[in-house]
Amino acid sequence: AQSVTQLGSHVSVSEGALVLLRCNYSSSVPPYLFWYVQYPNQGLQLLLKYTTGATLVKGINGFEAEFKKSETSFHLTKPSAHMSDAAEYFCAVANNAGNMLTFGGGTRLMVKP
Amino acid sequence: EPEVTQTPSHQVTQMGQEVILRCVPISNHLYFYWYRQILGQKVEFLVSFYNNEISEKSEIFDDQFSVERPDGSNFTLKIRSTKLEDSAMYFCASSEQQTRISNYGYTFGSGTRLTVV
Repeated sequence: AQSVTQLGSHVSVSEGALVLLRCNYSSSVPPYLFWYVQYPNQGLQLLLKYTTGATLVKGINGFEAEFKKSETSFHLTKPSAHMSDAAEYFCAVANNAGNMLTFGGGTRLMVKP
Repeated sequence: EPEVTQTPSHQVTQMGQEVILRCVPISNHLYFYWYRQILGQKVEFLVSFYNNEISEKSEIFDDQFSVERPDGSNFTLKIRSTKLEDSAMYFCASSEQQTRISNYGYTFGSGTRLTVV
């Protein structure tokens, strides 16, 4: 069985500051991990994913995430926050068959001017 | 960029009524999914569908729920007799391949907000 925990339901940063959104997972199989972003009144948009290979994954809009097996983590970072980054961010893990995603509770990112 | 389209964006229905949520997946995608998000809670998996049959379903997806691909373009979720606790945002998604071997993950629609009164 898979599970995902996102620490911090709300994160607030100043524009230009580092963004760090935390995700820890539990998986009985080698994990496939995803970060999605949801802007108001929109669907879930894939930011980035880790399947195999390089543990530092780069995504859209300057975001990246690092898979750390020893820490069972997949934290999302961005060096410099922009006002347009304000949204809700979801971490997810796929099951072994690949036909189901288990999501974390989400983290709402607020960016202050 | 191809999109998954969901209609309607909002639906209000009375408890006990049947409701059908509609989705048009991306045309060359083969795998289809429904997820829901109750206000303030996690996004939860409901069902996945491939080759005209359910490939995986969650405990939430009980006999009140059904899915169908009635033609070559639509994918529907039917709730037979709605309950107050069915009020949620329902997301449709599609993918070319199953997520573990996909280079693209899922593409999600914008959701249908269902309110049961």
